[in-house]
Amino acid sequence: GAGVSQTPSNKVTEKGKYVELRCDPISGHTALYWYRQSLGQGPEFLIYFQGTGAADDSGLPNDRFFAVRPEGSVSTLKIQRTERGDSAVYLCASSLGPSTTDTQYFGPGTRLTVL
Amino acid sequence: RKEVEQDPGPFNVPEGATVAFNCTYSNSASQSFFWYRQDCRKEPKLLMSVYSSGNEDGRFTAQLNRASQYISLLIRDSKLSDSATYLCVVNGGTSGTYKYIFGTGTRLKVLA
Repeated sequence: GAGVSQTPSNKVTEKGKYVELRCDPISGHTALYWYRQSLGQGPEFLIYFQGTGAADDSGLPNDRFFAVRPEGSVSTLKIQRTERGDSAVYLCASSLGPSTTDTQYFGPGTRLTVL
Repeated sequence: RKEVEQDPGPFNVPEGATVAFNCTYSNSASQSFFWYRQDCRKEPKLLMSVYSSGNEDGRFTAQLNRASQYISLLIRDSKLSDSATYLCVVNGGTSGTYKYIFGTGTRLKVLA
């Protein structure tokens, strides 16, 4: 079946602009996660949704970052007033449920470059 | 101290060699453990879960030592296609926490 998809695959923007990154999870997966990966580092947790609600947003670096999942499926990560330090690969993952043993499946990521 | 620590490598090994990676974690309440593989400019993909009793999948063996808080991955008879970054992942530790905590990854290069 279809895996996790993310759009766009690449996004180049200028400092100070607003961007939206989209994630389409595996059908039937109730849990959705956003991570950020910088060069040479492992992915870093940003936010986790169970259904429509953000169950854990402790990884969002500041209030310029916001994410929604209004219908419990597709999620959008929104970044306001982008900064050069926001440049990274943004990964989305989904899992069947919130169990700690459930495997998280990752999308191909969106590579964000802030000039 | 980082929550999950790995030697970043790179580990350069000849084909057919056996190579082992270790990973330590700081939260003794952590509940689930995984090894993910990540190829260059690709997303992480699950290689195997790590169970207390240890588990094996073909040439790959994973071990968990809760007392010492470390996880290991052993790759036997290395293939060129095993070249990748191996990410140690720890989940849970606090009730209701399902986020993955990743190590920085260990780079493996298998040489012909």
